[in-house]
Amino acid sequence: TQLLEQSPQFLSIQEGENLTVYCNSSSVFSSLQWYRQEPGEGPVLLVTVVTGGEVKKLKRLTFQFGDARKDSSLHITAAQPGDTGLYLCAGAYSGGGADGLTFGKGTHLIIQP
Amino acid sequence: NAGVTQTPKFQVLKTGQSMTLQCAQDMNHEYMSWYRQDPGMGLRLIHYSVGAGITDQGEVPNGYNVSRSTTEDFPLRLLSAAPSQTSVYFCASSYSAGRSDTQYFGPGTRLTVL
Repeated sequence: TQLLEQSPQFLSIQEGENLTVYCNSSSVFSSLQWYRQEPGEGPVLLVTVVTGGEVKKLKRLTFQFGDARKDSSLHITAAQPGDTGLYLCAGAYSGGGADGLTFGKGTHLIIQP
Repeated sequence: NAGVTQTPKFQVLKTGQSMTLQCAQDMNHEYMSWYRQDPGMGLRLIHYSVGAGITDQGEVPNGYNVSRSTTEDFPLRLLSAAPSQTSVYFCASSYSAGRSDTQYFGPGTRLTVL
């Protein structure tokens, strides 16, 4: 079983601060996705990255895929209470079949007003 | 367009009981899957299907059965519920089995086995 490590596991910061969440593996991803999950709901896709070194921006969220395609980061600028939720990274490993994605354990993010 | 729907939303079972968790999608997606989410464990794949009539096991298939008689429906059956199956279950679908495809998740079923 491939492991995908996310850090930090929990993060509580004040509104307006910046933060970065990390997703790491010892194996190479063919693609990596970031999802956001709110209490009582299913995860919702934020972004997919497929190319090493790729950077994607979604308003105040910046997603980066490592050059070697083994790691990724999510950076939030000027966090707002609406950013509160569980952030999950999910990787598809090179050479893998149709057997779904490997999910990290998630980062629980709380933005205090 | 309802997306992915799951029923029931909540369920309490006694050990040894059986039940079926329903999942349906109206997006004509070929790929469907079931995950369970447990505290500190993340989402783990139970079973998946790449199309009607085709199913396969994921990471944690023991104690669960699935079938895919139509493109739209992908029910998950618990044959004899055990307390270790207490979890939140999510069904997901995507256009194809392409692993960079967007996974659309249902709202989940929270199952408690006593």
